[in-house]
Amino acid sequence: GDSVTQMEGPVTLSEEAFLTINCTYTATGYPSLFWYVQYPGEGLQLLLKATKADDKGSNKGFEATYRKETTSFHLEKGSVQVSDSAVYFCALSETGANSKLTFGKGITLSVRP
Amino acid sequence: GAGVSQSPSNKVTEKGKDVELRCDPISGHTALYWYRQRLGQGLEFLIYFQGNSAPDKSGLPSDRFSAERTGESVSTLTIQRTQQEDSAVYLCASSLGGQGIRETQYFGPGTRLLVL
Repeated sequence: GDSVTQMEGPVTLSEEAFLTINCTYTATGYPSLFWYVQYPGEGLQLLLKATKADDKGSNKGFEATYRKETTSFHLEKGSVQVSDSAVYFCALSETGANSKLTFGKGITLSVRP
Repeated sequence: GAGVSQSPSNKVTEKGKDVELRCDPISGHTALYWYRQRLGQGLEFLIYFQGNSAPDKSGLPSDRFSAERTGESVSTLTIQRTQQEDSAVYLCASSLGGQGIRETQYFGPGTRLLVL
């Protein structure tokens, strides 16, 4: 079945550091890929998405590129801020699966001033 | 505009009791999903409603779990004879529907269920 694997956390960075959060997936078809974020005390919200191979999703300075050859969708940001502290979830939606999302376990990012 | 709302925000119950969780989707969204997030785990899909079609119940973990949706509005998730392993955050999401896997799902704040 479909699955999403995220790197183990938590991750703690200093402000303005470079961020990479790894995500790889297993799917039988051509899924859409998503990053969702949950800020402290808030609900889960979409950060960015990519719907086909080589697409790059971007939002709020974050980027992720859909790499079919490596089945990856790593999240990157060049300079993190304290306000980026949150839990980040990688997810996929598989063709013919009623658009349900399959999520990774999530990773907690803490950014210190 | 209003987002997805869920109630109650927290629920503590005793093992063996039934609980009912409510979700109000974004107005106009025909698709509705329930997910469960247990401590330290990712979200698990439970059930999917799309318009008047038969729901996809493939994620329900046991026959103690059931869900209903009235038309394209409110949905309720019912857990009968609760067990301690049912303790989790139950999240509802809605989307416009009809756009397949490219759609963005909008999540509610969740109901945190604790079974003692």
